[in-house]
Amino acid sequence: DGGITQSPKYLFRKEGQNVTLSCEQNLNHDAMYWYRQDPGQGLRLIYYSQIVNDFQKGDIAEGYSVSREKKESFPLTVTSAQKNPTAFYLCASLRPSGGAENTGELFFGEGSRLTVL
Amino acid sequence: AQSVAQPEDQVNVAEGNPLTVKCTYSVSGNPYLFWYVQYPNRGLQFLLKYITGDNLVKGSYGFEAEFNKSQTSFHLKKPSALVSDSALYFCAVSPPISNFGNEKLTFGTGTRLTIIP
Repeated sequence: DGGITQSPKYLFRKEGQNVTLSCEQNLNHDAMYWYRQDPGQGLRLIYYSQIVNDFQKGDIAEGYSVSREKKESFPLTVTSAQKNPTAFYLCASLRPSGGAENTGELFFGEGSRLTVL
Repeated sequence: AQSVAQPEDQVNVAEGNPLTVKCTYSVSGNPYLFWYVQYPNRGLQFLLKYITGDNLVKGSYGFEAEFNKSQTSFHLKKPSALVSDSALYFCAVSPPISNFGNEKLTFGTGTRLTIIP
C-alpha cells in the first residue's frame, strides 16, 4: 500500500544534539511538507519542497534544516539551534489535482514525537 | 493575512445525536477549505474539501460540511455520531494558488470531539 513512513516514532535527545527525522513516501508525489504540532495549536509549517533538489522555508524554519535529494525522501534535521524542539513532527505529501490550480489534499505520516531531556 | 478559527476546544455529543464542529475563516479571494481528523498519536487524515460548486460537500465516514460565504463559515456535521468519531478535528484554509503546492494552507487550532456512549 502507498503511504508515508516516518521514523522514529519516538525520539529522545539531549540538549545540544542534532537529530534527524526520516520521511519516506511511495506515492510518487512531488510536493512534501514538514509540520510541527504543539498542544492547543494548529499545525505550523517548517519547510516544504515542491520538487527534488529544491525546498523552501515555511513559517518556523529557524533551527531546522532539510534536504530533498530523492523524490521519495524528505528528512528533517532538528539542530541544537532550535530553542524549543520538544514537539510532534508531521511529514506530509500533496496529492495533485491534475489541474492548473492546486486543489489536492495532504497525506500525512504517523508522526515523530521528539522529546528533549 | 488568512486565518482560521475553531471557537470550541472541546465538543461533547451523545452517541446517535447529530454533531457539529464549527469553523470560520478569513482569506483573500475565494477560499479552499479542508477538514482533517487526527486520532491519538497519529497523523492527520483528509476528510473533505470545498473548492467550488455545491455548498454542501460530503466526505469520508459520513461527514459533511457546509460552505457559507456570507458567514465565512465551514462547519463540519454528521447526522448521527459514533463513538469511533471521537478524535481531534482540524479545519484548514488556503487561497487559490496556481503553482503546484499548498504552502499557504493555514490550520485551525483543532477541536476535540468526544462521543459519549
